[in-house]
Amino acid sequence: QVQLKESGPGLVQPSQTLSLTCTVSGFSLTSNSVHWVRQPPGKGLEWMGGIWGDGSTDYNSALKSRLSISRDTSKSQVFLKMNSLQTDDTAIYFCTNFNWELGFDYWGQGVMVTVSS
Amino acid sequence: DIMMTQSPLSVAVTPGESASISCRSSKSLLHSNGITYLSWYLQRPEKSPQLLIYQISNLASGVSGRFSGSGSGTDFTLKISRVETEDVGIYYCVQFLEVPLTFGSGTKLEIK
Repeated sequence: QVQLKESGPGLVQPSQTLSLTCTVSGFSLTSNSVHWVRQPPGKGLEWMGGIWGDGSTDYNSALKSRLSISRDTSKSQVFLKMNSLQTDDTAIYFCTNFNWELGFDYWGQGVMVTVSS
Repeated sequence: DIMMTQSPLSVAVTPGESASISCRSSKSLLHSNGITYLSWYLQRPEKSPQLLIYQISNLASGVSGRFSGSGSGTDFTLKISRVETEDVGIYYCVQFLEVPLTFGSGTKLEIK
């Protein structure tokens, strides 16, 4: 069955770079699209960006200058890298599978990232 | 960017009664292919969001028939009939018509 699982450091220092991995199973990254959505504590959901089946990417313009999404199809992994982290980047980061019929149909459990010195 | 505006911010419902949540987009979500790219999600406490409704009114697999969606263009409604305690959480609408994909700010459903 379709599964996604996020992994990465729980704590990142201000101004440093966040690196997260989304490991997927049950589908191919070349035919599906995987996106990142984050949620600051007590707040709503924010789409960050995604990588499409053809390998192209789209980003939230508010994050574009700091954000990079890539993948390794052989390992079924999608990567998020975001630099110059600040305290307001503290959030739960989710990866989610996207398809044009349903939208975000499968989600990972999320990983909590705290930005603090 | 397409703005998604949800109301109310929160709603308290007696078990067995109904609740409605509104979502309005700043631009029509109807694509030239005839599909309206609007979905609804429920995020239960401490959980990942769960797909409820896609393309305005289609029930996602495994979702209770007590959930229904309606609307068109820029105005959409999620209705929850015979509310149960397991319906507690935050409901979000989201548009997939164009990038950036955008979520509504959420509506919190509580039980009276």
